[in-house]
Amino acid sequence: SQTIHQWPATLVQPVGSPLSLECTVEGTSNPNLYWYRQAAGRGLQLLFYSVGIGQISSEVPQNLSASRPQDRQFILSSKKLLLSDSGFYLCAWSVKGPGGYTFGSGTRLTVV
Amino acid sequence: EDQVTQSPEALRLQEGESSSLNCSYTVSGLRGLFWYRQDPGKGPEFLFTLYSAGEEKEKERLKATLTKKESFLHITAPKPEDSATYLCAVRSGGSNYKLTFGKGTLLTVNP
Repeated sequence: SQTIHQWPATLVQPVGSPLSLECTVEGTSNPNLYWYRQAAGRGLQLLFYSVGIGQISSEVPQNLSASRPQDRQFILSSKKLLLSDSGFYLCAWSVKGPGGYTFGSGTRLTVV
Repeated sequence: EDQVTQSPEALRLQEGESSSLNCSYTVSGLRGLFWYRQDPGKGPEFLFTLYSAGEEKEKERLKATLTKKESFLHITAPKPEDSATYLCAVRSGGSNYKLTFGKGTLLTVNP
């Protein structure tokens, strides 16, 4: 069966510090991968998606970047965090074609 | 641009009191409507996918229906463990990959 792992679960970082969140998927190959952010009072906002190794599409211009160094690994990064980067970050995967996503357990990021 | 509006924002029910959540959408060619459940501090959990008007799906006390403009999530005789945020999302013909989510309905079921 397929599983998705996301870590860390919580993170408190000072303004201006770097960020690296990692997501891995097991039990499938060539998945589509996604990074979403969920802020209080707002819906889930798609940040990045990837259809293959090294292929990254950005939905929202921002202080963040994403990379996919391996087929089942997706990384969300920032060189310098802003207060506005605080939120709940969710990684998800899907098969290519019709169907929904399977989400990871999320990372609560607080920038102080 | 795809849009999803969920109502009400919050709903408080007594155990056993049935009700419905609404999801209105505007998309260019619906390629799927999805319902998720999200518990506090956790990732959304998939519930249902609906693809065409008239389609219905059921799981325990939950039943999802779809029309050309909206979807309903009916909750029959809810229990306290049904308390969660319920999210609706759509995939349109304009995007092969992107799901557009509503802001969700926070359901609280009191014993």
